[in-house]
Amino acid sequence: AQSVTQLGSHVSVSEGALVLLRCNYSSSVPPYLFWYVQYPNQGLQLLLKYTSAATLVKGINGFEAEFKKSETSFHLTKPSAHMSDAAEYFCAVSPPGYSTLTFGKGTMLLVSP
Amino acid sequence: NAGVTQTPKFQVLKTGQSMTLQCAQDMNHEYMSWYRQDPGMGLRLIHYSVGAGITDQGEVPNGYNVSRSTTEDFPLRLLSAAPSQTSVYFCASRRDRVTDTQYFGPGTRLTVL
Repeated sequence: AQSVTQLGSHVSVSEGALVLLRCNYSSSVPPYLFWYVQYPNQGLQLLLKYTSAATLVKGINGFEAEFKKSETSFHLTKPSAHMSDAAEYFCAVSPPGYSTLTFGKGTMLLVSP
Repeated sequence: NAGVTQTPKFQVLKTGQSMTLQCAQDMNHEYMSWYRQDPGMGLRLIHYSVGAGITDQGEVPNGYNVSRSTTEDFPLRLLSAAPSQTSVYFCASRRDRVTDTQYFGPGTRLTVL
């Protein structure tokens, strides 16, 4: 069965600092991978997705993620954090041939001035 | 387009009561799904549908029923509410394939006393 592990339930950064949110997957074949963001009291919004094309994926709001098969990882990064990036971030996985997504437990990003 | 809409926004039930959470989308999406979100647990799939008349169980289906009589609507029924069903419920839809962007509704916060 597929699963994702997000390391760290909370990550704190200063405004302007690098953002790194970690996601590792467990799947017998390279899966499709997604990052979603949830702002307070809202639904989830897709940030970016890996669908077996380019391994470096660029998303909205300056975020990007790199698929590394050897490390079974899909970490999310942003060079410079902004206060508006404070939210909860979810990694999700779906192996090829599946129609459902499995979500990680989420990482809350806190940004301080 | 209104996107994915959910009603009600908030609901309080007593143990044993039944109710239906409504979900509608106006994007002509084939795939719709219901998730529940609990603190520290991420999102867990309850039921999903790949088209009108077709539904299937997700990870946590017990205590919930669904039907899909039209493309637009995908209601979630709680047959006999239990305190363990206190959660935030999200409906989502996407055009078809798992790599299509999935859109989430704003959520329904349910409390069962």
